[in-house]
Amino acid sequence: LLMQPGGNLVQPGESLRISCEASGFIFDSYSMNWVRQAPGKGLEWVSYISHTGSLIYYAESVKGRFTVSRDNAKNSMYLEMHSLRAEDTAVYYCARDNPPGDLWGQGTVVIVSS
Amino acid sequence: QSALTQPASVSGSPGQSISISCTGTSSDVGGYDFVSWFQQHPGRAPKLLIYTVTTRSSGVSDRFSGSKSGNTASLTISGLQADDEADYYCSSYTSSSTLVFGGGTRVTVL
Repeated sequence: LLMQPGGNLVQPGESLRISCEASGFIFDSYSMNWVRQAPGKGLEWVSYISHTGSLIYYAESVKGRFTVSRDNAKNSMYLEMHSLRAEDTAVYYCARDNPPGDLWGQGTVVIVSS
Repeated sequence: QSALTQPASVSGSPGQSISISCTGTSSDVGGYDFVSWFQQHPGRAPKLLIYTVTTRSSGVSDRFSGSKSGNTASLTISGLQADDEADYYCSSYTSSSTLVFGGGTRVTVL
């Protein structure tokens, strides 16, 4: 199971950290992804983090603004988002990566609006 | 990285077979056997159907099958059922060590 807290409303330019807590499997054995979906739009891959956290990749649209991290002792992954823009408004899903997307969280709504 | 190309919509009658295409490049679909397909019902998280081009995820009906030729992958749904009405997305590993999704296909059961 991947548990994600509820929604957030932030203003443009602000920062936000969202989380994803795993249970029911050995979290530190799995790489993880963040995937987002803007209202009425398709899926967009955002970021990848390996099981140890040593390998990290980002989509060009968020590179330099978003930071992914994980705390295996807490079975948790995080996405820290800075300089948020209206176009970052989306449901953010965490997804396990073996194979990619074999388990998904229920999503966290992030709304960027003034 | 540009999104993979999928038809916006596909429709079929109950019992029929339909196919959804997913076209990329030699840097993604054509270069790796790491193509996946997902089903998403409204308001729900995506569900993995197929991975590594042809492997069905645990518990997925054998009515769903995947294939690939060159830079194009395909998902076939046979024996179409009412519950198959949903959005379908393909994804692929890329040469940049990232993932890329298709734009999505809305399947309508007539």
